[in-house]
Amino acid sequence: EVQLVESGGGLVKPGGSLRLSCAASGFTFSVYSMTWVRQAPGKGLEWISSATSSSNYIYYADSVKGRFTISRDNAKNSLYLQMDSLRAEDSAVYYCARCLVIPDAPLDSWGQGTLVTVSS
Amino acid sequence: EVVLTQSPGILSLSPGERATLSCTASQSVRRNYLAWYQQKPGQAPRLLISGASSRATGIPDRFSGSGSGTDFTLTISRLEPEDFAVYYCQQYGTSLFTFGPGTKVDFK
Repeated sequence: EVQLVESGGGLVKPGGSLRLSCAASGFTFSVYSMTWVRQAPGKGLEWISSATSSSNYIYYADSVKGRFTISRDNAKNSLYLQMDSLRAEDSAVYYCARCLVIPDAPLDSWGQGTLVTVSS
Repeated sequence: EVVLTQSPGILSLSPGERATLSCTASQSVRRNYLAWYQQKPGQAPRLLISGASSRATGIPDRFSGSGSGTDFTLTISRLEPEDFAVYYCQQYGTSLFTFGPGTKVDFK
């Protein structure tokens, strides 16, 4: 069974940093591209970053470019999101999701999400 | 960036009725790489449809997708109580994925 489990969310002050993790199991992690999607409270889904299987290609939404860094460790079956210079508008549930390739494949499995709250 | 719009914002229906949800792209979606997701309160999104019309594994056949180019439709032939949720379209034809704002299907 495919499992994606996010962790690392919490309360952080504006300007602070946080590192999210996504632990993958039940599939060959190193074959899949991975993506972070967030959802602010009561709002829709927002794609924020993706990394191909070997991290050869990395993509960011303009809203997080220069502040967030996606990375992965295929030996540990893990995906990460380093979030710096956090703002109130970054408050959201952050989901990791897998897709076979980028582009050209949908997000076929999702984690349950981890909540990030940016507030003083 | 491919901008997706969805209509209506809210669709109020009763169980057993047919639901028709629309997704329109600001430019043609490459190879019709358009997906639909269902999200229930407190849950992660679930993939329903990919490639505009292919049901994902385990998705009931009352869900169907159609369309091409810039105009896409998700149809739920007969609503079951568990289908009342928010539905998002997403394009994955470019490396910068985009989602539509969602359509909420709620009880009339």
